[in-house]
Amino acid sequence: DAGVTQSPTHLIKTRGQQVTLRCSPKSGHDTVSWYQQALGQGPQFIFQYYEEEERQRGNFPDRFSGHQFPNYSSELNVNALLLGDSALYLCASSSIGTGPTGNTIYFGEGSWLTVV
Amino acid sequence: AQKITQTQPGMFVQEKEAVTLDCTYDTSDQSYGLFWYKQPSSGEMIFLIYQGSYDEQNATEGRYSLNFQKARKSANLVISASQLGDSAMYFCAMLQAGTALIFGKGTTLSVSS
Repeated sequence: DAGVTQSPTHLIKTRGQQVTLRCSPKSGHDTVSWYQQALGQGPQFIFQYYEEEERQRGNFPDRFSGHQFPNYSSELNVNALLLGDSALYLCASSSIGTGPTGNTIYFGEGSWLTVV
Repeated sequence: AQKITQTQPGMFVQEKEAVTLDCTYDTSDQSYGLFWYKQPSSGEMIFLIYQGSYDEQNATEGRYSLNFQKARKSANLVISASQLGDSAMYFCAMLQAGTALIFGKGTTLSVSS
Protein backbone atom coordinates (compact mmCIF):
# COMPACT_ATOMS: atom_id res chain seq x y z
CA ASP A 1 0.00 0.00 0.00
CA ALA A 2 1.68 3.18 -1.21
CA GLY A 3 1.78 6.00 1.26
CA VAL A 4 1.76 9.69 0.45
CA THR A 5 4.37 10.51 -2.19
CA GLN A 6 5.77 13.93 -2.95
CA SER A 7 8.08 15.27 -5.64
CA PRO A 8 10.60 16.70 -5.98
CA THR A 9 12.33 16.07 -2.65
CA HIS A 10 14.71 19.01 -2.93
CA LEU A 11 14.85 22.00 -5.23
CA ILE A 12 16.52 25.38 -5.49
CA LYS A 13 14.84 28.35 -7.16
CA THR A 14 15.70 31.99 -7.72
CA ARG A 15 13.65 34.89 -6.38
CA GLY A 16 10.81 35.78 -8.72
CA GLN A 17 10.59 32.32 -10.25
CA GLN A 18 7.65 29.95 -10.04
CA VAL A 19 7.61 26.45 -8.58
CA THR A 20 5.28 23.46 -8.78
CA LEU A 21 5.25 20.73 -6.15
CA ARG A 22 3.38 17.46 -6.58
CA CYS A 23 1.63 15.05 -4.25
CA SER A 24 -0.05 11.68 -4.64
CA PRO A 25 -2.29 10.76 -1.71
CA LYS A 26 -2.37 7.46 0.09
CA SER A 27 -4.46 4.82 -1.62
CA GLY A 28 -8.10 5.20 -0.65
CA HIS A 29 -7.77 8.86 0.35
CA ASP A 30 -9.57 11.60 -1.57
CA THR A 31 -8.45 14.78 0.19
CA VAL A 32 -5.11 16.55 0.00
CA SER A 33 -3.86 19.32 2.27
CA TRP A 34 -0.68 21.35 1.93
CA TYR A 35 1.43 22.73 4.76
CA GLN A 36 4.47 25.02 4.89
CA GLN A 37 7.05 24.41 7.58
CA ALA A 38 9.74 27.05 8.08
CA LEU A 39 12.93 26.06 9.84
CA GLY A 40 12.39 25.57 13.56
CA GLN A 41 8.62 26.04 13.35
CA GLY A 42 5.55 23.85 13.27
CA PRO A 43 3.77 23.34 9.93
CA GLN A 44 1.29 26.00 8.81
CA PHE A 45 -1.85 25.07 6.86
CA ILE A 46 -1.91 26.46 3.30
CA PHE A 47 -5.07 24.91 1.81
CA GLN A 48 -7.05 21.72 1.34
CA TYR A 49 -8.46 20.20 -1.84
CA TYR A 50 -11.41 17.86 -2.13
CA GLU A 51 -13.36 16.95 -5.25
CA GLU A 52 -10.97 19.09 -7.29
CA GLU A 53 -11.92 22.25 -5.42
CA GLU A 54 -10.25 24.29 -2.70
CA ARG A 55 -12.19 23.48 0.44
CA GLN A 56 -10.43 25.67 2.97
CA ARG A 57 -7.51 28.06 2.88
CA GLY A 58 -5.09 29.27 5.52
CA ASN A 59 -3.53 32.70 5.81
CA PHE A 60 -1.40 32.58 2.66
CA PRO A 61 -1.30 35.08 -0.23
CA ASP A 62 -2.72 34.40 -3.67
CA ARG A 63 0.78 33.61 -4.91
CA PHE A 64 0.06 30.19 -3.46
CA SER A 65 -2.36 28.24 -5.60
CA GLY A 66 -3.23 24.63 -6.07
CA HIS A 67 -5.00 22.05 -8.09
CA GLN A 68 -6.43 18.60 -7.56
CA PHE A 69 -6.79 16.13 -10.40
CA PRO A 70 -9.49 13.48 -10.94
CA ASN A 71 -7.13 10.80 -9.59
CA TYR A 72 -6.92 12.84 -6.32
CA SER A 73 -3.29 13.85 -6.83
CA SER A 74 -2.50 17.50 -6.26
CA GLU A 75 -0.12 20.28 -7.16
CA LEU A 76 1.00 23.29 -5.17
CA ASN A 77 2.13 26.29 -7.22
CA VAL A 78 3.97 29.26 -5.82
CA ASN A 79 4.51 32.31 -8.04
CA ALA A 80 6.93 35.22 -7.67
CA LEU A 81 9.05 33.37 -5.14
CA LEU A 82 10.42 35.26 -2.16
CA LEU A 83 13.35 34.34 0.05
CA GLY A 84 10.82 33.78 2.84
CA ASP A 85 9.17 30.99 0.86
CA SER A 86 12.16 28.78 1.63
CA ALA A 87 10.68 25.95 3.68
CA LEU A 88 9.67 22.32 3.82
CA TYR A 89 6.35 21.82 2.04
CA LEU A 90 4.35 18.91 3.36
CA CYS A 91 1.41 17.18 1.75
CA ALA A 92 -1.15 15.38 3.90
CA SER A 93 -3.81 13.02 2.66
CA SER A 94 -7.05 12.05 4.32
CA SER A 95 -10.51 10.79 3.56
CA ILE A 96 -13.49 13.04 4.08
CA GLY A 97 -15.84 10.10 4.43
CA THR A 98 -14.10 8.57 7.42
CA GLY A 99 -13.96 11.75 9.47
CA PRO A 100 -11.19 13.19 11.62
CA THR A 101 -9.58 10.08 13.04
CA GLY A 102 -5.89 9.62 13.45
CA ASN A 103 -5.71 6.84 10.91
CA THR A 104 -6.86 9.15 8.14
CA ILE A 105 -4.24 11.93 8.15
CA TYR A 106 -0.90 10.85 6.76
CA PHE A 107 1.96 13.02 5.55
CA GLY A 108 4.49 12.62 2.78
CA GLU A 109 8.23 13.12 3.20
CA GLY A 110 7.99 16.70 2.02
CA SER A 111 9.65 18.89 -0.59
CA TRP A 112 12.51 21.07 0.58
CA LEU A 113 12.40 24.38 -1.28
CA THR A 114 15.31 26.81 -1.14
CA VAL A 115 14.87 30.26 -2.70
CA VAL A 116 18.10 32.13 -3.42
CA ALA B 1 -9.00 30.91 18.12
CA GLN B 2 -7.67 27.40 18.44
CA LYS B 3 -4.14 27.06 19.74
CA ILE B 4 -1.64 24.35 20.66
CA THR B 5 1.06 25.04 23.23
CA GLN B 6 4.17 22.93 23.71
CA THR B 7 6.26 24.50 26.45
CA GLN B 8 9.29 22.19 26.32
CA PRO B 9 11.70 23.22 23.56
CA GLY B 10 13.96 20.28 24.35
CA MET B 11 13.86 17.12 26.46
CA PHE B 12 16.68 14.75 27.32
CA VAL B 13 16.21 11.14 28.41
CA GLN B 14 18.32 8.00 28.68
CA GLU B 15 17.55 4.78 26.87
CA LYS B 16 14.87 2.59 28.46
CA GLU B 17 13.48 5.46 30.50
CA ALA B 18 9.98 6.87 30.05
CA VAL B 19 9.44 10.47 28.99
CA THR B 20 6.40 12.76 28.91
CA LEU B 21 6.04 15.49 26.31
CA ASP B 22 3.58 18.21 27.28
CA CYS B 23 0.80 19.63 25.15
CA THR B 24 -2.02 21.97 26.09
CA TYR B 25 -4.71 23.16 23.73
CA ASP B 26 -7.34 25.84 23.51
CA THR B 27 -10.61 25.44 21.66
CA SER B 28 -14.26 26.32 22.05
CA ASP B 29 -15.36 23.33 19.96
CA GLN B 30 -16.97 20.34 21.67
CA SER B 31 -15.77 17.91 19.00
CA TYR B 32 -12.10 17.89 18.12
CA GLY B 33 -9.20 15.56 17.50
CA LEU B 34 -5.70 15.67 18.93
CA PHE B 35 -2.67 14.17 17.22
CA TRP B 36 0.98 13.57 17.91
CA TYR B 37 3.52 13.36 15.11
CA LYS B 38 7.23 12.53 15.09
CA GLN B 39 9.51 14.35 12.68
CA PRO B 40 13.05 13.03 12.20
CA SER B 41 15.68 15.21 10.57
CA SER B 42 14.64 13.79 7.18
CA GLY B 43 11.47 15.87 7.41
CA GLU B 44 8.75 13.25 7.13
CA MET B 45 5.89 13.79 9.58
CA ILE B 46 5.15 10.37 11.09
CA PHE B 47 1.75 9.81 12.73
CA LEU B 48 2.04 8.41 16.25
CA ILE B 49 -1.29 8.57 18.05
CA TYR B 50 -4.75 10.14 17.98
CA GLN B 51 -7.27 11.07 20.67
CA GLY B 52 -10.84 12.13 19.97
CA SER B 53 -12.51 14.57 22.32
CA TYR B 54 -15.30 12.09 23.06
CA ASP B 55 -13.01 9.11 23.56
CA GLU B 56 -13.35 7.93 27.14
CA GLN B 57 -10.18 5.88 27.16
CA ASN B 58 -6.71 7.29 26.75
CA ALA B 59 -5.25 6.29 23.39
CA THR B 60 -2.36 3.86 23.24
CA GLU B 61 -0.21 2.70 20.32
CA GLY B 62 2.61 0.38 21.31
CA ARG B 63 5.13 2.36 23.36
CA TYR B 64 3.12 5.56 22.91
CA SER B 65 0.24 6.60 25.11
CA LEU B 66 -1.68 9.83 25.33
CA ASN B 67 -2.55 11.21 28.76
CA PHE B 68 -5.76 13.06 27.92
CA GLN B 69 -7.13 15.39 30.61
CA LYS B 70 -10.08 17.14 29.02
CA ALA B 71 -10.89 19.48 31.88
CA ARG B 72 -7.31 20.73 31.93
CA LYS B 73 -7.16 20.78 28.12
CA SER B 74 -3.98 18.77 28.07
CA ALA B 75 -2.91 15.90 25.82
CA ASN B 76 0.53 14.79 26.91
CA LEU B 77 2.44 12.11 25.01
CA VAL B 78 4.13 9.41 27.07
CA ILE B 79 6.86 7.33 25.47
CA SER B 80 7.78 4.27 27.49
CA ALA B 81 11.17 2.55 27.27
CA SER B 82 12.84 5.21 25.12
CA GLN B 83 15.08 4.07 22.25
CA LEU B 84 17.87 5.88 20.44
CA GLY B 85 15.66 5.99 17.36
CA ASP B 86 13.12 8.08 19.26
CA SER B 87 15.41 11.10 18.98
CA ALA B 88 13.44 13.55 16.83
CA MET B 89 11.11 16.56 16.93
CA TYR B 90 7.63 15.83 18.28
CA PHE B 91 4.58 17.88 17.37
CA CYS B 92 1.19 18.03 19.00
CA ALA B 93 -1.64 19.07 16.68
CA MET B 94 -5.39 19.65 16.74
CA LEU B 95 -7.83 19.28 13.89
CA GLN B 96 -9.64 22.57 13.23
CA ALA B 97 -13.07 22.60 11.57
CA GLY B 98 -12.47 19.08 10.36
CA THR B 99 -9.93 20.22 7.80
CA ALA B 100 -6.78 22.00 8.99
CA LEU B 101 -4.30 20.71 11.53
CA ILE B 102 -3.04 23.35 13.94
CA PHE B 103 0.44 22.48 15.20
CA GLY B 104 2.42 23.47 18.25
CA LYS B 105 6.03 24.62 17.98
CA GLY B 106 7.34 21.17 18.79
CA THR B 107 9.62 19.54 21.33
CA THR B 108 13.04 18.14 20.45
CA LEU B 109 13.64 14.82 22.17
CA SER B 110 17.19 13.56 22.59
CA VAL B 111 17.73 9.98 23.75
CA SER B 112 21.19 9.01 24.97
CA SER B 113 22.75 5.62 25.68
